[in-house]
Amino acid sequence: DTAVSQTPKYLVTQMGNDKSIKCEQNLGHDTMYWYKQDSKKFLKIMFSYNNKELIINETVPNRFSPKSPDKAHLNLHINSLELGDSAVYFCASKQGGFSPLHFGNGTRLTVT
Amino acid sequence: DQQVKQNSPSLSVQEGRISILNCDYTNSMFDYFLWYKKYPAEGPTFLISISSIKDKNEDGRFTVFLNKSAKHLSLHIVPSQPGDSAVYFCAASALGETSGSRLTFGEGTQLTVNP
Repeated sequence: DTAVSQTPKYLVTQMGNDKSIKCEQNLGHDTMYWYKQDSKKFLKIMFSYNNKELIINETVPNRFSPKSPDKAHLNLHINSLELGDSAVYFCASKQGGFSPLHFGNGTRLTVT
Repeated sequence: DQQVKQNSPSLSVQEGRISILNCDYTNSMFDYFLWYKKYPAEGPTFLISISSIKDKNEDGRFTVFLNKSAKHLSLHIVPSQPGDSAVYFCAASALGETSGSRLTFGEGTQLTVNP
């Protein structure tokens, strides 16, 4: 299936731990994103990579570090997890110009 | 600074009737607008889009209207079906930005279509 896939779907961990979320797209898109949906349901951009280069880096704590080994993958590593990091994280990709984002199904992160 | 706003958190309509979802924006640089539909435990899926050079775009039962002077867009679903029950997000971007072209989302409207 052509899609944006992210793993894991659910992630429960304790404060202070380090965790990673993986994302892969086989749509051939050049640009990939991480979005965060907080408790108020807003979808907010965190990072964007174009062909493995970081092009958008919103005001996100530096405990969050994206890594793009190739243009089909964009992983999100989070150090020293805090309670406020609990949210749903969505990976997405798109082509350039007037084209829509294609989202993965999200990773629900719960920090206890 | 909420640049895209959906002031109705929820909307309930009868099957077969029209659903109208509204969205307002404040950034005059936005020139590309999209609607996404989201079911629980899934990612948002693209529904329909419109660029600022148009004021209407239609795709089957879905029509998006753009009023640039009012900075307002709306999504019409006719006829509404129970399977349309989902959260609908309005989103906007400014193509003049870098090739990253971020989407700014509204907070969503939960549509419930009753049989």
